[in-house]
Amino acid sequence: AQSVAQPEDQVNVAEGNPLTVKCTYSVSGNPYLFWYVQYPNRGLQFLLKYITGDNLVKGSYGFEAEFNKSQTSFHLKKPSALVSDSALYFCAVRDIVSNFGNEKLTFGTGTRLTIIP
Amino acid sequence: NAGVTQTPKFRVLKTGQSMTLLCAQDMNHEYMYWYRQDPGMGLRLIHYSVGEGTTAKGEVPDGYNVSRLKKQNFLLGLESAAPSQTSVYFCASRSAGTANQPQHFGDGTRLSIL
Repeated sequence: AQSVAQPEDQVNVAEGNPLTVKCTYSVSGNPYLFWYVQYPNRGLQFLLKYITGDNLVKGSYGFEAEFNKSQTSFHLKKPSALVSDSALYFCAVRDIVSNFGNEKLTFGTGTRLTIIP
Repeated sequence: NAGVTQTPKFRVLKTGQSMTLLCAQDMNHEYMYWYRQDPGMGLRLIHYSVGEGTTAKGEVPDGYNVSRLKKQNFLLGLESAAPSQTSVYFCASRSAGTANQPQHFGDGTRLSIL
């Protein structure tokens, strides 16, 4: 069974500092990995994905994520945090085998990121 | 550019009542999904649909039914609401084009069962 772990429920970062939100995964075979952000009373918004190729993936709002196969990790990063980055962040994994809408997309439990002015 | 629209946004029900949540997408996506989000548990898949007229069970289907009579709409029904179904419900859709397409989410329906 596939799974996602986000080991930190809460991450606090000072504005202007670099931020990292951690994610590790377990899946049979090669993974598709996603990061989503959720603002209060809103749905999940897609940030970025890893499919194959370059281990450093760039996404929306200046975020990037580094895929590490040996450590089965997909950490979300940003060089300089903004107060507006404060939100709930979800990592998700799916296998690459099924592509007929019946894929199982497994989400982590989320990490609440707070940027302190 | 609406994307995925869910109605209603909020609802309070009494135990035993029934209701239907509506999801509409204007992106011509083939695949649609219903999730529930509970504190500390991430999102869990309730039911999904790979096309008009087809539905399938997800991870937590008990107590829910779905229908997809039109490609753009995906309905989630609660026949007899229970307090355990108090949750935030999200609808999502995605294109069938390539395997790596992300799912797009609506803003959710906050449902309380008293």
